[in-house]
Amino acid sequence: SQQGEEDPQALSIQEGENATMNCSYKTSINNLQWYRQNSGRGLVHLILIRSNEREKHSGRLRVTLDTSKKSSSLLITASRAADTASYFCATEPNTGNQFYFGTGTSLTVIP
Amino acid sequence: EAGVVQSPRYKIIEKKQPVAFWCNPISGHNTLYWYLQNLGQGPELLIRYENEEAVDDSQLPKDRFSAERLKGVDSTLKIQPAELGDSAVYLCASSLHRSTDTQYFGPGTRLTVL
Repeated sequence: SQQGEEDPQALSIQEGENATMNCSYKTSINNLQWYRQNSGRGLVHLILIRSNEREKHSGRLRVTLDTSKKSSSLLITASRAADTASYFCATEPNTGNQFYFGTGTSLTVIP
Repeated sequence: EAGVVQSPRYKIIEKKQPVAFWCNPISGHNTLYWYLQNLGQGPELLIRYENEEAVDDSQLPKDRFSAERLKGVDSTLKIQPAELGDSAVYLCASSLHRSTDTQYFGPGTRLTVL
């Protein structure tokens, strides 16, 4: 089974609003990454956060990691219609080089 | 610089037929991945190569799936014979060295088995 589970499965917001999606995972990890996938396209890497980091920023993206709760959140501020996509978390357990994607959150930003 | 190239983009076949997918990773990337993605799901790793060596193929259904990466560059994933349940998107990705590096994905091949 996949390591990560995203929540919510789907999210619809108005342009300009913030979007928050969460990822929970099962085992201890080395790092967690977030990817975006536009419809019919491959995945695009957004940000990586290591297990010893608690928060990371990249442009309008803010990622937090709580290893005690085995969870991460991705916040997109001031959303744009172009942010409409599916967002996946991916984790690397500290037991090896395996790499697991979650089930994804489908974000729709309404202009 | 060109990204990860995959072909074909779409493939429709009858069940029990063979099918092959091709991937050309980013130049200089040692690690290559093949993923399967079902509709509404995240990618699931099928096989990972470090140069020409398959270092993780535990999720590859070896009775019908095979893969190769000759000379540590291009890779081919084959299914023979295809089953209805194989309908999915097959994604190829590459990274510089290992899975903790950023993975760069190709657009995928959408397979439909009739």
